Amino acid sequence: KNEVEQSPQNLTAQEGEFITINCSYSVGISALHWLQQHPGGGIVSLFMLSSGKKKHGRLIATINIQEKHSSLHITASHPRDSAVYICAVRMDSNYQLIWGAGTKLIIKP
Amino acid sequence: DGGITQSPKYLFRKEGQNVTLSCEQNLNHDAMYWYRQDPGQGLRLIYYSQIVNDFQKGDIAEGYSVSREKKESFPLTVTSAQKNPTAFYLCASSYITGELFFGEGSRLTVL
Repeated sequence: KNEVEQSPQNLTAQEGEFITINCSYSVGISALHWLQQHPGGGIVSLFMLSSGKKKHGRLIATINIQEKHSSLHITASHPRDSAVYICAVRMDSNYQLIWGAGTKLIIKP
Repeated sequence: DGGITQSPKYLFRKEGQNVTLSCEQNLNHDAMYWYRQDPGQGLRLIYYSQIVNDFQKGDIAEGYSVSREKKESFPLTVTSAQKNPTAFYLCASSYITGELFFGEGSRLTVL
């Protein structure tokens, strides 16, 4: 069993839909990261969370430490949101990062 | 501007040649990382370093080497011992427990 599991693996939606991507983990963590990788390959950090909820524009990230689960939400989705979204956790024992496999999101106009 | 710079963006190598990918950051980050990504796959850790003159093997270190002589620099050498080096290579940096910053990546193709 992978220590970081993302779902769904692939997601296709229509422009304007509310999007939810999930990340579950099984290790003790000091922080959880959400990142975005565009088709060109570059990766940008979206959020770093250790508790609660963060919002940036149309993106919202939440984490439930007790349930070891995080969600990334996109409101009013747009074709430019099409990308791979990656969850990664930083272990609290040795600060190493464990990566999820990514969720490929396609937003159709 | 602060950031992390990888070069070259594209690199072609003949079989049997070593190549070195550059990664430089001016963010004063202690930790630096090298990842490999194959088409349609996730990131796999090659090497990481949390302090100058020290580095640790990741999950797929065989056929690669690194150095960390300066805080700002973490070059990756892909040696001839790496049997399948064609891939996309990404360098990242962070404070030990901080947000991750990635370079734009280097695409290596073996001819």
